[in-house]
Amino acid sequence: AQSVTQLDSQVPVFEEAPVELRCNYSSSVSVYLFWYVQYPNQGLQLLLKYLSGSTLVKGINGFEAEFNKSQTSFHLRKPSVHISDTAEYFCAVNFKGAQKLVFGQGTRLTINP
Amino acid sequence: GAVVSQHPSRVICKSGTSVKIECRSLDFQATTMFWYRQFPKQSLMLMATSNEGSKATYEQGVEKDKFLINHASLTLSTLTVTSAHPEDSSFYICSAPGTGSYEQYFGPGTRLTVT
Repeated sequence: AQSVTQLDSQVPVFEEAPVELRCNYSSSVSVYLFWYVQYPNQGLQLLLKYLSGSTLVKGINGFEAEFNKSQTSFHLRKPSVHISDTAEYFCAVNFKGAQKLVFGQGTRLTINP
Repeated sequence: GAVVSQHPSRVICKSGTSVKIECRSLDFQATTMFWYRQFPKQSLMLMATSNEGSKATYEQGVEKDKFLINHASLTLSTLTVTSAHPEDSSFYICSAPGTGSYEQYFGPGTRLTVT
């Protein structure tokens, strides 16, 4: 079965601390991977994506993610977070052959001063 | 970059009435668009796939007669919530895949409140 799992529903961190948001997927076909951010009452904004090539991808706002095929993971990282990073983060997967995205449950990142 | 707009951004309607939400791809054509609903503090739930010139494909459990989708042109899809009830109150988001891309571009969402 094809699925996407974000194990952490909430992640609180202090400002300027590093953060990792976890995303795992289950698939029998190859995948394209995405991270989106959602600020309150807004749509989704693409942070970064992995389509092919280097497994370490860099995105906007200082975020990066690494595709690990053997562990079927695509964890999102930032070395030093800012108050403005407080938002909901969604991992999404395009399972090749399908046009639609499958979303994880989301992780609420809260930055404390 | 590709931009998707939604109108209205917020709508309040009375129970029993119908409300239409528009989703437009502003600078690209989209033969397919997707409609999601999102409850507070939850993930996006795909409702249906809108196909230009043909019938929409609904996800399991989504009532076709309740949520009418029309994709009349390559840049416009509409979602009509018919005979709305308070339980239909939600955040509705549309998206469209970019041309030749696996990336999807999302609209800003529409907050529907049914009183």
